[in-house]
Parts: sequence; C-alpha cells; structure tokens
Amino acid sequence: EVKLLESGGGLVQPGGSLRLSCAASGFTFSTYAMNWVRQAPGKGLEWVSVISGTTGYTNYADSVKGRFTISRDNSKNTLYLQMSSLRAEDTAVYYCTKDWHIINWGQGTLVTVSS
Amino acid sequence: DVVMTQSPLSLPVTLGQPASISCSSSQSLVYSDGNTYLNWFQQRPGQSPRRLIYKVSNRDSGVPDRFSGSGSGTDFTLKISRVEAEDVGVYYCMQTTHWPRTFGQGTKVEIK
Repeated sequence: EVKLLESGGGLVQPGGSLRLSCAASGFTFSTYAMNWVRQAPGKGLEWVSVISGTTGYTNYADSVKGRFTISRDNSKNTLYLQMSSLRAEDTAVYYCTKDWHIINWGQGTLVTVSS
Repeated sequence: DVVMTQSPLSLPVTLGQPASISCSSSQSLVYSDGNTYLNWFQQRPGQSPRRLIYKVSNRDSGVPDRFSGSGSGTDFTLKISRVEAEDVGVYYCMQTTHWPRTFGQGTKVEIK
C-alpha cells in the first residue's frame, strides 16, 4: 500500500522559512516523480512543484519560483520542500503526491504564514 | 498557462440520479506521445483528494463503475450514472500534459 506522510508544517511569520518533508513507503520511491500540491483554506487545488525520480529535473509554479526548492533523498525515501520568503498567500495545506500524473496523495500538512 | 474551466461550479443532485461535470481547457491536452493527460479527482469533505480517472476515461483501481470520463482535445466530461451519498464532495479536473500543471476551479456536488 502506498503511503505518503507529510510533516513540518506550522505557523511562521511573513518572510520566514520552513521545510516540509514527505516520508514515502509502499513503492519504489526512486522510480517515481513526486510533486507538491497545495490548497489554501476553503479554496481549490494548486500545483506547486515536481521533481523527477533520479535525473534531478525540477519545475515550479510561477507563484513559488525563486522562493521554494524541491528536493529528495532516495536513500531515505523522503521528499522535501524548502520554503523561504514566505507570504500570507502561501498559507495552505501542502500535499505530497506521487507520479507525473498525481496518482496518490498524502494527508497534507498545514502551513500558516501570519504575524 | 493552460486554463481549465469547469461547469457547473455547484451541482445539487438527487440520490440515484445522474450527474455530469464539464471541463474545458484553453489548449489541446494531446501530448506528443498521442495520449491526452486529463485527470479527474474527488475530494470528500475533510479528506485528501483522490484520483478517479486518468487519461480522459481510465478509472483508477477501486473506483466504482458508475464514474466515467469522456472527451477529447479541449472538452471533457465526468459522469456519475447514479449518484450515491458517498459521492458528495468537490470534483476537480487537472491537466498533466503541459507545464505548469493546472486544475479546474472545482465543482461541488451535494445532495438535494
């Protein structure tokens, strides 16, 4: 069974930084691209970023480009999202998702950017 | 960016009756490999989204056969043949053909 467990969310002040993690299990992690998708409170879904399995390819939404960095450690089956220069509009539940075509989702971790 | 437009945004339905959600894209979703990467997701209240349909019309494992997807190019439809109480939630279309990936606004399905 595929499991994706996000962690690292919390309250952070505007301009601050936070690193999210996603622990993956139940599949061969290194062979799958992984994404972050977010959902602001009461709003729809927004794709944030993707990283390939082993080639290092990454892509970002314009809204986070230059501020967020996606990475992974295949030896630890873990996906990361380093977030910096955080803004109020980054407040959302952040979901870890598997594959180029978003097959599986984690339960999400809430990031709140507020003073 | 590819804009995904869903309609309606709210869909009250009677139990046992059919329901239909439309999704249109601002560009063709046909990829260079010939596949059309249009997906449908369901988000029940208080839950994470789950994928129902991929490549327009393929149901994911465990998805009831009352859910079906159709369409081509830029126009797509999700149909529920007979709505059940567990189908309440928000449904999103999403394209994974182009970068950046984009979602529709979501359609809220509720029981009348």
